[in-house]
Amino acid sequence: QVQLVASGGGVVQPGRSLRLSCAASGFIFSSRPMHWVRQAPGKGLEWVAVIFMDANNKQYADSVKGRFTISRDDSKNTLWLQMNSLRPEDTAVYYCVSAAHPWGQGTLVAVSS
Amino acid sequence: QSVLTQPPSASGTPGQRVTISCSGSSSNIGSNSVNWYQQFPGAAPIFLIYRFDQRPSGVPDRFSGSKSGTSASLAISGLQSEDEAIYYCAAWDDSLNRWVFGGGTELTVL
Repeated sequence: QVQLVASGGGVVQPGRSLRLSCAASGFIFSSRPMHWVRQAPGKGLEWVAVIFMDANNKQYADSVKGRFTISRDDSKNTLWLQMNSLRPEDTAVYYCVSAAHPWGQGTLVAVSS
Repeated sequence: QSVLTQPPSASGTPGQRVTISCSGSSSNIGSNSVNWYQQFPGAAPIFLIYRFDQRPSGVPDRFSGSKSGTSASLAISGLQSEDEAIYYCAAWDDSLNRWVFGGGTELTVL
């Protein structure tokens, strides 16, 4: 069955960096655009970024543009999100998502001094 | 302010049919498919409906989706207490070049 296992979250100070990973299985990873979506505590879902099958084609939410970088390795069925210059408002559960499949559990990022 | 507009709340009694709306525009719902997600407190969203009206395996046929113009709807028939959750719609937006979500509808079973 489809699995999307996100990892790499944790507590980090403002201004620092964190790299999230997502291991995908159960579907043809290379044939799907992949997204990162986040959910701040008590809030709704917020789209963060997408990377298309052409890995050079990426889009970002305005709130993270210039700070976050999405990337993928189809040979490893893996998605990443490099997060730099983190802010307290980046605190959220981060999910890696394929629009055609169930979501995984997500990984919690807490930005706090 | 969400690009897709959902009512913040909805309610119904057990056995009733409830509909949740999702209003968008020609650049999102009008030209791209809509997904619906169900979320319980403290849990990841559950993939409920895709391509407007398709159910992933394991989703009860009490859940159905539809589209009319630039709006989509999720209908839940034979409402059950375990359907109490927050429901989100989502669609790709061709003008914004991003995936957009509704603000979520909290469903209460009275």
